Formats: sequence, C-alpha cells, structure tokens
Amino acid sequence: DIQMTQSPSFLSASVGDRVTITCRASQSISSYLNWYQQKSGKAPKLLIYAASSLQSGVPSRFSGSGSGTDFTLTISSLQPEDFATYYCQQSYSTPRTFGQGTKLEIK
Amino acid sequence: EVQLVQSGAEVKKPGESLKISCKGSGYSFTSQWIAWVRQMPGKGLEWMGIIYPGDSDTRYSPSFQGQVTISADKSISTAYLQWSSLKASDTAMYYCARQAGSYSLTHYYYYMDVWGKGTTVTVSS
Repeated sequence: DIQMTQSPSFLSASVGDRVTITCRASQSISSYLNWYQQKSGKAPKLLIYAASSLQSGVPSRFSGSGSGTDFTLTISSLQPEDFATYYCQQSYSTPRTFGQGTKLEIK
Repeated sequence: EVQLVQSGAEVKKPGESLKISCKGSGYSFTSQWIAWVRQMPGKGLEWMGIIYPGDSDTRYSPSFQGQVTISADKSISTAYLQWSSLKASDTAMYYCARQAGSYSLTHYYYYMDVWGKGTTVTVSS
C-alpha cells in the first residue's frame, strides 16, 4: 500500500492568514492526488483533484500543487468557514489511501 | 441533482449481521464506481473498497478484505456494505462516495466527488 503522510497534524491560524498543508507519498504517484475538507459531523467534500485542479464550486483561495511524492494545499486567505480537517488521498493505485488528516483550528 | 442516500443509523450487538445501503440518483449509477470509507470515532478516513455497479467488479483494501462484503444491485441503483459477524471495533461512521474521473492530457484521474451523509454503526453488548 502507498502510505500518505500529512504535516502538520494540527495547525492554528487566524482569519486572513495564508496556510499551507503538505502531503508526502511513500512512492511516486505522479499527480494522482486529491484533497478533501471535512467539517465536524459532516461528510468530506472534494476540494482539489489531480493535484492542482479545483473542483467546481470550490473558492479560488484554495489551490494545490506538487507531483511525484510531495504535494501542498494552500489556502490564500483563511475564512471562518475554512476551519476544518483536511485530508489528502492518492488515486494512483488501490487501496486509495488517505493521509491522517490536518486539523485547522482558529488561533 | 446527483446524490447518494445512505440508510439510517444502526445499533447492533457483537456477532450480529448487518447490511447498510447507498442509493444513487441523478446520474448513470452503472457507469461509475462507488467507494466505501470508514471513519472510526475521532479518527481519520479509511478507504475500504470500491465496486463498479455495471458488472459488480469489486476491489478491497487488504485491511478490510474478508471482514466486509461490498455488493450492488444495479436494478435499484443501490450499493451495499455488509458484515456477517459484527465486532465492537466495527463501531464507526461509514460513508459511500461516487468515484468520478476526468482526463487531463494523457492521464485519467479518479476522485470522490459526491458523498453520502454517512451511516453510523454502533456495536455494543
């Protein structure tokens, strides 16, 4: 199985901040990387697919980059509704493993 | 509207069997994979497996192979996740999600774009 490791696991930030979450794969996965947002008590929501493609309806303050083994999710200016847990997931092979998650909290 | 509607919360005893469901609507159910994802209390997301309802081709994560069965009935656009003998450690939220995909240059990328609201399974004596 491909292991996905996110950092940090917890992140404290303020409204308006620029934040970056990283995700590392245990082997090269090209650009087969997705990002999801999960708010408390809700189902996950797709933000980014193919490492950098913004899902329809997702605000442009979210962006993704990277290829191979190292990827980043950037939120350019945090909004109150962005405080949530974020997961990366590889779609290179099955099982389609997730990272452990990054919980973004209000400072 | 594309949606996946999951069955309601379940409370079961260890050793009991269970089958939960996920009904798709608003798209061609037979043409896209359905995935199942587990989330244990306070924990992260775990990919369990996927099924292609068109021909019932199924892939499991090694972590869940033999522990659960994924199936689908394309005549009623419904996918299922079932257990033959539940354990307390099966207590979790279970999500189904549509695995969609799109082309970019020469590559086809998969992602889970539509999710059900989840089914809570509680196993306790």
